[in-house]
Amino acid sequence: AQSVSQHNHHVILSEAASLELGCNYSYGGTVNLFWYVQYPGQHLQLLLKYFSGDPLVKGIKGFEAEFIKSKFSFNLRKPSVQWSDTAEYFCAVKFTGGGNKLTFGTGTQLKVEL
Amino acid sequence: GAVVSQHPSRVICKSGTSVKIECRSLDFQATTMFWYRQFPKQSLMLMATSNEGSKATYEQGVEKDKFLINHASLTLSTLTVTSAHPEDSSFYICSASDRPYNSPLHFGNGTRLTVT
Repeated sequence: AQSVSQHNHHVILSEAASLELGCNYSYGGTVNLFWYVQYPGQHLQLLLKYFSGDPLVKGIKGFEAEFIKSKFSFNLRKPSVQWSDTAEYFCAVKFTGGGNKLTFGTGTQLKVEL
Repeated sequence: GAVVSQHPSRVICKSGTSVKIECRSLDFQATTMFWYRQFPKQSLMLMATSNEGSKATYEQGVEKDKFLINHASLTLSTLTVTSAHPEDSSFYICSASDRPYNSPLHFGNGTRLTVT
């Protein structure tokens, strides 16, 4: 069965530190890839998405992610985090034939300390 | 941008009663809406896909008679938790897309259901 895994469940960083959150999926076919963010008390918001083309995708708020097909990965990165980036981050994958159905990873809780 | 409104945001009900949660697409038509359930410290689990004008498609392990879904119009889907029990307490989230394929989903703010 297709699955999505996020290896880091909790990450604590200081402001200005660099961030990389891992996301891997298990599926050999075509995928669409997403990162969503959920700020405390708010709904899920789309950070960035990959459908095709350049595997390095830039999203909002300085985030980017790189699709490495050979590694089945779509890691999220930010060179310098801010306190306001404290949130929960979800990787999600749409698998071929699944319509618009998203499969989510377990999420990573990021806390940025001043 | 596209907005999905979910109501209520919080509901407390007694065991054995039913609760209805509404999901509306405010500025677009959604032929398909999705209902997710989020357990504490866990990811979102897809419960069912709601199709306008037809029966919902439920994921494996989700009781369709317990979680009734109705998608009567292109802007409204409802999830009714029937004969709720404490184990149904959870965070329920709906989402919708304004395009049929290859498009990101817009999420509602979720409904926190507590069954006492």
